[in-house]
Amino acid sequence: EVQLVQSGAEVKKAGESLKISCQGSGYSFTNYWITWVRQMPGKGLEWMGIIYPPDSDTTYSPSFQGQVTLSADKSSNTAYLQWRSLKASDTAMYYCARRAAAGKEFDYWGQGTLVTVSS
Amino acid sequence: QSALTQPASVSGSPGQSITISCTGTSSDVGGYNYVSWYQQHPGKAPKLIIYDVSHRPSGVSSRFSGSKSGNTASLTISGLQAEDEADYYCCSYTSSTTRVFGGGTKLTVL
Repeated sequence: EVQLVQSGAEVKKAGESLKISCQGSGYSFTNYWITWVRQMPGKGLEWMGIIYPPDSDTTYSPSFQGQVTLSADKSSNTAYLQWRSLKASDTAMYYCARRAAAGKEFDYWGQGTLVTVSS
Repeated sequence: QSALTQPASVSGSPGQSITISCTGTSSDVGGYNYVSWYQQHPGKAPKLIIYDVSHRPSGVSSRFSGSKSGNTASLTISGLQAEDEADYYCCSYTSSTTRVFGGGTKLTVL
């Protein structure tokens, strides 16, 4: 069974750093791209970027370029989303999802990680 | 990159059909047959229901269908059921090799 399991909720202060994770299982992790999606409270989905774990080839949304860093560890089948300096406006639910092998859609999703940043 | 345009809300009675539109540009929706649709129930992760404009993943009800004309994609749900009440999002591949989501549509089953 394909699963993407994300790390638990985080409560941080503005200016702190943070790295959240997304571990894949039930499939060959290195054969699929992983994407990250933000959902601010009561708002819609926003595409942040996508990474290919075998070589860490990464594409960022212009809206998130320079604000976050995507990375991946093939040895642990884990993708990461990282901030160097959090802002209150980073408060949101963050989802990881797998891009389908032959297409552009996102066929399996993680359960989400809630990040709360206080000012 | 601007979000794709979806109606904020639609509604329908059980058994009826509804259609949700998703309008982009020739650089995204109109340029590629890579439009997907996601259903999100409150407090849950999104779920893929349509990919490549009109294809349904295994296990998704045939009541869900998708189409595209020019820069506008559409999701149609026929035979509305109470369980279809959710938020729906379209997503398109873009000429910059990025992705863009629509603003989302809240479906209310009356």
